[in-house]
Amino acid sequence: NAGVTQTPKFQVLKTGQSMTLQCAQDMNHEYMSWYRQDPGMGLRLIHYSVGAGITDQGEVPNGYNVSRSTTEDFPLRLLSAAPSQTSVYFCASIQGGGRRGAGELFFGEGSRLTVL
Amino acid sequence: AQKITQTQPGMFVQEKEAVTLDCTYDTSDPSYGLFWYKQPSSGEMIFLIYQGSYDQQNATEGRYSLNFQKARKSANLVISASQLGDSAMYFCAMRGYRQGAQKLVFGQGTRLTINP
Repeated sequence: NAGVTQTPKFQVLKTGQSMTLQCAQDMNHEYMSWYRQDPGMGLRLIHYSVGAGITDQGEVPNGYNVSRSTTEDFPLRLLSAAPSQTSVYFCASIQGGGRRGAGELFFGEGSRLTVL
Repeated sequence: AQKITQTQPGMFVQEKEAVTLDCTYDTSDPSYGLFWYKQPSSGEMIFLIYQGSYDQQNATEGRYSLNFQKARKSANLVISASQLGDSAMYFCAMRGYRQGAQKLVFGQGTRLTINP
């Protein structure tokens, strides 16, 4: 199993450019999510999905779009990149249901994005 | 709202000593889970240990144990017999049952350095 796969691992953009961070998981997990990690701030939730066709906003959604057309894929789109979006982005997945509160989140290896 | 507080930005420990990383949390959710993740310099997020709010015993996973004190809302990570490979960032996180399985709230992290 590959687990959670993110591409690209590194990307440099200019202000105003758009791009898509790809995320795919092969564990048939219902739930997928995107986090960003900034220095000294831990990880913060951007968007999440509880199944194909269902997405919702997290703590810091502005400037990002998501869609979930299949169980496996959950791309994150930056519509018009800004320097404030320079960060490390993590995609994660987890199987829904199960014992309350239980189950670890499986993370991808991260994508480092720099916006000039 | 949920909140995780890690008050130790950095810790330095001699190899083979035990180390305790502090984590306090705040939530109004009666059912929740607490997690610790390790992030080495390579950047990936590695799941270490999980504690459910209704679990009667403290969680243990090899050299890792979680000192769960529900009344004090603390979930400290204890690493016994530290090794050089334990040098990394450590994040405490929580998930409330009502918030959803994919919504983890992270602390700011503690950078642990193991000295030979």
